[in-house]
Amino acid sequence: DVKVTQSSRYLVKRTGEKVFLECVQDMDHENMFWYRQDPGLGLRLIYFSYDVKMKEKGDIPEGYSVSREKKERFSLILESASTNQTSMYLCASSYGQPQHFGDGTRLSIL
Amino acid sequence: QKEVEQDPGPLSVPEGAIVSLNCTYSNSAFQYFMWYRQYSRKGPELLMYTYSSGNKEDGRFTAQVDKSSKYISLFIRDSQPSDSATYLCAMTTSYNNNDMRFGAGTRLTVKP
Repeated sequence: DVKVTQSSRYLVKRTGEKVFLECVQDMDHENMFWYRQDPGLGLRLIYFSYDVKMKEKGDIPEGYSVSREKKERFSLILESASTNQTSMYLCASSYGQPQHFGDGTRLSIL
Repeated sequence: QKEVEQDPGPLSVPEGAIVSLNCTYSNSAFQYFMWYRQYSRKGPELLMYTYSSGNKEDGRFTAQVDKSSKYISLFIRDSQPSDSATYLCAMTTSYNNNDMRFGAGTRLTVKP
């Protein structure tokens, strides 16, 4: 079974802080993704990566950056956290289709 | 108009009922269709994965794709309280396409 592990289930940070969300997958997948999930809006793609050090913007990249230094690890960075970034963040990985998800990080920005 | 439309519910059924969950879409290029189940405070878990039109069955679950109508369905037979979750449909155009589109999810409750 594919295992996608997100480092934190719940996180509380303050406005203006730099926030790091970490994701690790154990299936040697080429592709990794970061989404945010909000009530009524569904899943929205923030960034994805199709290889080490490669990244592509998704639908809502503003205020976020990513890092992929190793194939199994994909990090999401909130450069200066704001309250409108309070959300559920989901990491996924895939080789082609389908995508497999981690259990999410519920992030609150105060 | 959203690219993928899914009735958010909530949907409440008695245990043992047949459940029908549906999504419609506008992009005729979609070929890969997924259903995910998401329990409260957990990530989406892949339930069914189909390519192009037709039916796929896995235990109590059946996924149907009607590309001519741009309509996909998930049927759950003999529904159980443990099926209570949010169900998300998802679709994309090709095997190597990383641009997946999701429905907003339907919240299902199965009452004992």
